[in-house]
Amino acid sequence: KNEVEQSPQNLTAQEGEFITINCSYSVGISALHWLQQHPGGGIVSLFMLSSGKKKHGRLIATINIQEKHSSLHITASHPRDSAVYICAVTYNNDMRFGAGTRLTVKP
Amino acid sequence: NAGVTQTPKFQVLKTGQSMTLQCAQDMNHNSMYWYRQDPGMGLRLIYYSASEGTTDKGEVPNGYNVSRLNKREFSLRLESAAPSQTSVYFCASSVTQGGTEAFFGQGTRLTVV
Repeated sequence: KNEVEQSPQNLTAQEGEFITINCSYSVGISALHWLQQHPGGGIVSLFMLSSGKKKHGRLIATINIQEKHSSLHITASHPRDSAVYICAVTYNNDMRFGAGTRLTVKP
Repeated sequence: NAGVTQTPKFQVLKTGQSMTLQCAQDMNHNSMYWYRQDPGMGLRLIYYSASEGTTDKGEVPNGYNVSRLNKREFSLRLESAAPSQTSVYFCASSVTQGGTEAFFGQGTRLTVV
């Protein structure tokens, strides 16, 4: 069983829609990461958080430590947001990754 | 600022051939990692180096070896490639192991035929 589960696996939205991607984990963590992987493959870090909420532009990440759950929200989605979004957790000095959510935003 | 640089970007090998994937970072990070990414699965750790001079096995080390050449460079070697090693490989680095932001290379798409 994977320690990190993401939902949905695939998501298609129309430009302008509000998007939510969910991540649940089953281990005690020191940090949770949201990563973005564009077509072409490169992976960039969007957020690292251990409590509460962080915001960067149109992206918002929240975490509930008690419920072992995190969400990534994208407001006013745009076709350039199309990518795979990956949730990862750090525990015991190790990093474990979810399988990713493939987001397609149509104009 | 280059960040994490991986070479090559693409490679096709025949079964039994060997190759080395190169990785270098210019951020003075202590920890470096090699992951593989397969369809439908999360990235899985092959080997890591918590600091210069140390290397340790990750989740899927069989068929691979690594060398932490210096603080900047961490290479991954396939001694005898197998079709099961067809994957996308990512190198990453972080200031320290665990709990700090990781920076990733652009990936190497390896096909073993």
